[in-house]
Amino acid sequence: QKEVEQDPGPLSVPEGAIVSLNCTYSNSAFQYFMWYRQYSRKGPELLMYTYSSGNKEDGRFTAQVDKSSKYISLFIRDSQPSDSATYLCACNSGGYQKVTFGIGTKLQVIP
Amino acid sequence: EPEVTQTPSHQVTQMGQEVILRCVPISNHLYFYWYRQILGQKVEFLVSFYNNEISEKSEIFDDQFSVERPDGSNFTLKIRSTKLEDSAMYFCASSVGTGAYEQYFGPGTRLTVT
Repeated sequence: QKEVEQDPGPLSVPEGAIVSLNCTYSNSAFQYFMWYRQYSRKGPELLMYTYSSGNKEDGRFTAQVDKSSKYISLFIRDSQPSDSATYLCACNSGGYQKVTFGIGTKLQVIP
Repeated sequence: EPEVTQTPSHQVTQMGQEVILRCVPISNHLYFYWYRQILGQKVEFLVSFYNNEISEKSEIFDDQFSVERPDGSNFTLKIRSTKLEDSAMYFCASSVGTGAYEQYFGPGTRLTVT
């Protein structure tokens, strides 16, 4: 079983739509949950991280973690064509422990 | 805004050759990491480094790999004898404290082994 599973997509939505991106994980030791955005042939860009279960909002982005079901979500409101990228979920047990990534979901926002 | 930089952006080498990938982490960061991403696959952890020592390494990081912080600014990844399967994007990342969850990535070096 993969530690972090993510549907690779692609996911196409019209501009202005609410986007829901999801991951599941298997390792109960994970405490921190991150979302990165990656444009083609570029490095991952940290969008936000969440500790344990709960929600965190940053502008149009909301991250949600449910540790009981080992389910991670990222919601993007009022999606823009500039949001078109691959979104990577990632998990870590804390401290300087390694970060484990999902394969990423490719998102295309159509004008 | 400070950022992680990596050189070169693209490196082509022949199988069996040694390569050194270079990174300049964000200046006040203390923890450094290398990851790789084979085309179409997920980003994979290679190694973390703190206080001039390896903190953690993955099973990918075998004896062919080494890391070094030769001075106060650079962080390098050396692959001693490259294989075809080492072809990938290599990303350096750094974090200011013990929070690997808040690490910032460089733009990557694309390594092509022929």
